[in-house]
Amino acid sequence: KNQVEQSPQSLIILEGKNCTLQCNYTVSPFSNLRWYKQDTGRGPVSLTIMTFSENTKSNGRYTATLDADTKQSSLHITASQLSDSASYICVVSALSNSNSGYALNFGKGTSLLVTP
Amino acid sequence: KAGVTQTPRYLIKTRGQQVTLSCSPISGHRSVSWYQQTPGQGLQFLFEYFSETQRNKGNFPGRFSGRQFSNSRSEMNVSTLELGDSALYLCASSLGRFTDTQYFGPGTRLTVL
Repeated sequence: KNQVEQSPQSLIILEGKNCTLQCNYTVSPFSNLRWYKQDTGRGPVSLTIMTFSENTKSNGRYTATLDADTKQSSLHITASQLSDSASYICVVSALSNSNSGYALNFGKGTSLLVTP
Repeated sequence: KAGVTQTPRYLIKTRGQQVTLSCSPISGHRSVSWYQQTPGQGLQFLFEYFSETQRNKGNFPGRFSGRQFSNSRSEMNVSTLELGDSALYLCASSLGRFTDTQYFGPGTRLTVL
């Protein structure tokens, strides 16, 4: 079972509306959680990185929240634009006792389509 | 500042062949990570290099290997290609290791026939 679950799998919203994407994880011990935006045919772009002590982090119209107790994160998009149409990927890093120091766990992503 | 560049952008190979992909990180970045992305499996971590040393490795067979040069440029090699290796291979660079923001390149689209 994947340790990072994203929902919904896909979402269609009207331009100008707000939306919230969810990321639930079972990864432990937690190190950090990242949200990426990936446009079709391009590499992902980092939106936010949050550590255990951070509850909220914003990047323009994107606001990520983290509840480390319930192991949930959300990405809220305000006043959506057509350019927000993309895949949004949640990545959770776990601390590791190995020499590597960490292990990465990926969600499958939420595909967002913003329509006029 | 120039972004992460990857070459080639597109590649077509046949089963059994080998392939080498190249990644040039942002100037000053010392960490380079490689990822495989497919529609079915999503994004998967291959390995991370920092200061010319492999620091972390994902769950991929030994056919996948890489290296990093003294100028931080990195190459990834896949030997004995299989159909399932068809994917978008992404490279990302960062100043330090996993706590830093990663900047991704556009990827290399590999098709194995």
